[in-house]
Amino acid sequence: QQQVKQSPQSLIVQKGGISIINCAYENTAFDYFPWYQQFPGKGPALLIAIRPDVSEKKEGRFTISFNKSAKQFSLHIMDSQPGDSATYFCAATLNTGFQKLVFGTGTRLLVSP
Amino acid sequence: DTAVSQTPKYLVTQMGNDKSIKCEQNLGHDTMYWYKQDSKKFLKIMFSYNNKELIINETVPNRFSPKSPDKAHLNLHINSLELGDSAVYFCASSQIWLAGDTGELFFGEGSRLTVL
Repeated sequence: QQQVKQSPQSLIVQKGGISIINCAYENTAFDYFPWYQQFPGKGPALLIAIRPDVSEKKEGRFTISFNKSAKQFSLHIMDSQPGDSATYFCAATLNTGFQKLVFGTGTRLLVSP
Repeated sequence: DTAVSQTPKYLVTQMGNDKSIKCEQNLGHDTMYWYKQDSKKFLKIMFSYNNKELIINETVPNRFSPKSPDKAHLNLHINSLELGDSAVYFCASSQIWLAGDTGELFFGEGSRLTVL
């Protein structure tokens, strides 16, 4: 119940295209859903995050869509660029106690020139 | 200035040895974490300290012992290393993060441990 399932495992998108990564969770006690971006040889870094009281959040080319009833959320990268090539992790935290991130399994995105 | 720094970046050692990884953050955060990333890139929390006090302790073999001498430092000592300990270990920090807050983890660049 503390898992976050992420798909696809890998994704190849042409430059200018839309990249879509999906996540699903079971535990309704999760109440904060960030996305982290990790470049090779680096640690993950926060990209964008959402709480379940809104259905969408946009920051530049990055948008999170959140469907509370389906317990799913997704990351959309518009006008994907080669510099977006990285591994993306969805994550979630519980609404109790000290917070710890539960990460999805990651999606390796390659944006071809 | 590096916000969260870990040393060493690479560590190659034999089975059965003991090794340590050090972490320091200069962000003024009061909470620090160790995460393990396995060969499939899966990230899993191991420990978290808040102001030198252990607050999260996941199911980790007791061969792993974290130590926080002060709130800016969190070290990880591993005894009797096994092949399965090979992974990238990430240190991270944040302000104390309770239910209802939105928080951000700041990760170091990782320490790649290879056990032969």
